[in-house]
Amino acid sequence: QQQVKQSPQSLIVQKGGISIINCAYENTAFDYFPWYQQFPGKGPALLIAIRPDVSEKKEGRFTISFNKSAKQFSLHIMDSQPGDSATYFCSPAEWGDSSYKLIFGSGTRLLVRP
Amino acid sequence: DTEVTQTPKHLVMGMTNKKSLKCEQHMGHRAMYWYKQKAKKPPELMFVYSYEKLSINESVPSRFSPECPNSSLLNLHLHALQPEDSALYLCASSQVQGNYGYTFGSGTRLTVV
Repeated sequence: QQQVKQSPQSLIVQKGGISIINCAYENTAFDYFPWYQQFPGKGPALLIAIRPDVSEKKEGRFTISFNKSAKQFSLHIMDSQPGDSATYFCSPAEWGDSSYKLIFGSGTRLLVRP
Repeated sequence: DTEVTQTPKHLVMGMTNKKSLKCEQHMGHRAMYWYKQKAKKPPELMFVYSYEKLSINESVPSRFSPECPNSSLLNLHLHALQPEDSALYLCASSQVQGNYGYTFGSGTRLTVV
């Protein structure tokens, strides 16, 4: 059962453009909604996260929009830069077995052209 | 210290070898995780330790054996691996309560020959 569906699989954006990545989930027990950024040869790094009592969160050029009723959340990267070229994962989390458990989406490979 | 340190960075092992991966953090996190990541795929959860006790085993084959000797250290012992076990093995840590996100290490690139 695929709990998390991420789209698009890949994305090419010109420098200065807006990158938008979407994530849909099924499990209503998720209560923490992070996005991770991964560069080749590195582990994922937490980029930005939101809790379900908030509909939007902005940190610099990165914004999460959250729609609880639609069970969707998205990542917007404003003024995209070549240094943003990486793989992005949505990874909603649920509490269970004495810890939070991240469920990773399939990933979006973003390429920002100069 | 806000890092998770994994050693070695690269490992090549034969199918009859025994090796161990090491993970260390000094952020006071009491949850630690092992993930496996194949090329162009998302990380897949293998094991979770909470307060040094194994809390989740995602049906991982017994040729992978985790160990958490103390609150800062996590090991993954490898024995009789198969070529298909070649992957990037990622360690992560987090607070148990409050969930402020995972901190991942850079991983160990494992090649089984």
